Formats: sequence, C-alpha cells, structure tokens
Amino acid sequence: EAAVTQSPRNKVTVTGGNVTLSCRQTNSHNYMYWYRQDTGHGLRLIHYSYGAGNLQIGDVPDGYKATRTTQEDFFLLLELASPSQTSLYFCASSGDWGGNYAEQFFGPGTRLTVL
Amino acid sequence: GDSVTQTEGPVTLSEGTSLTVNCSYETKQYPTLFWYVQYPGEGPQLLFKVPKANEKGSNRGFEATYNKEATSFHLQKASVQESDSAVYYCALMNYNQGKLIFGQGTKLSIKP
Repeated sequence: EAAVTQSPRNKVTVTGGNVTLSCRQTNSHNYMYWYRQDTGHGLRLIHYSYGAGNLQIGDVPDGYKATRTTQEDFFLLLELASPSQTSLYFCASSGDWGGNYAEQFFGPGTRLTVL
Repeated sequence: GDSVTQTEGPVTLSEGTSLTVNCSYETKQYPTLFWYVQYPGEGPQLLFKVPKANEKGSNRGFEATYNKEATSFHLQKASVQESDSAVYYCALMNYNQGKLIFGQGTKLSIKP
C-alpha cells in the first residue's frame, strides 16, 4: 500500500538550533511537498519538488531549506530555528498532476517545538 | 493569484443534523476541486475530487457539486455522526505551478 512516512514524529529544539525533518514515500511518485499547519492558517506550502535534485519554492519559504536526494526522500532543513517555526509539519506526495489527477497523499506529521 | 475561502470554524453540531460547509474559490483556470478531511492525530486524506463543472462528488455520505458559474464547491451531509468530527479542507489544483491551493480549514465537532 502507498505510504508516506515522516521522522521524527516529535521534536523539541532551542532557538538558533538546527533541525532536519525527513520524509520518505513508497508511492513511486514524482512530486513531494512540505506543508506547515497552524491554527487559523490551515495548510501552507513551504517547498516542493518534481523529482530528485529539483526544488520549487512554495508560499511560505522564509527560514526553510529543502533537499530532494532521491525519488523517495525529501528533507526540510531549519538552520537557525525560531519560535515562529513551532508548528505541525506535513509531507505529501502525488503522481503526475497534469489533467484531472493530482491527489496528494499525506504523512502523519511532525510536531516541532522551538523554545 | 488563486485562492480558496471556506466557512470559518469551529462548527459544532448535534448528531443527526445536517451539515453545510461553504467553499468559494478564485482562479483564472479551470481547476479540479477537492475536499480533504483530517481526523485527529492524522494527516489530511482525500474525501473526494471533482474535475468537471456541474458534476457532483461524494464519499462517506458527503457530497459537493462543482458550480463554475458561482465559483463554489459547498460540502454537504444530510445527517452527521460523531465520527465525522474532523477538520475539512477545500482545495483547488493550480496546474501551472503543480500545487494545491487549500482553504483555511473548518473544524467540525459533533455532539452525541
């Protein structure tokens, strides 16, 4: 069965710390996405990728870097974490979005707290 | 740019009552429209999608009609259950950029 996994599931760090969130998908999908979810804002797109080595800037990219090392793996990097980045982070994958397809499959989320 | 606006939550209903969550969108394209549902402690999952105007999507007793003239995609259910308690997201596909545009989400709580 298609799956998107994320690690860690919970992370606590301090202001200025480095954090890497990991995402792996076994869907054989080309497209992967990183979102943050905050009350009152819903899901906001941080970065996304069309394939290994590709990176596209999303709607709220400031303070975040991302890297897609393989078709399966997509990482989100916070190099100088700030309290404003405390949030619930979701990774998602989708197949080719041309035409009428484009369903995204989401992981279970990573809760990040920056003290 | 593209945008999606939906009923502001939270919404609290009693079991057995009817539900409508409004969703309006703005885009210059002809998008596919989606409803996603997120249960507590889980990631969002697709409820259903509708690619064509004037067609209806449905799943688990929920339904919505793609109204291109009114640019709306309202979610309805005739009789809600406690298990429907979740956050519901309306979304449209931006094919030019390859990304989904989500509304802000509507948190629904059903009282037994």
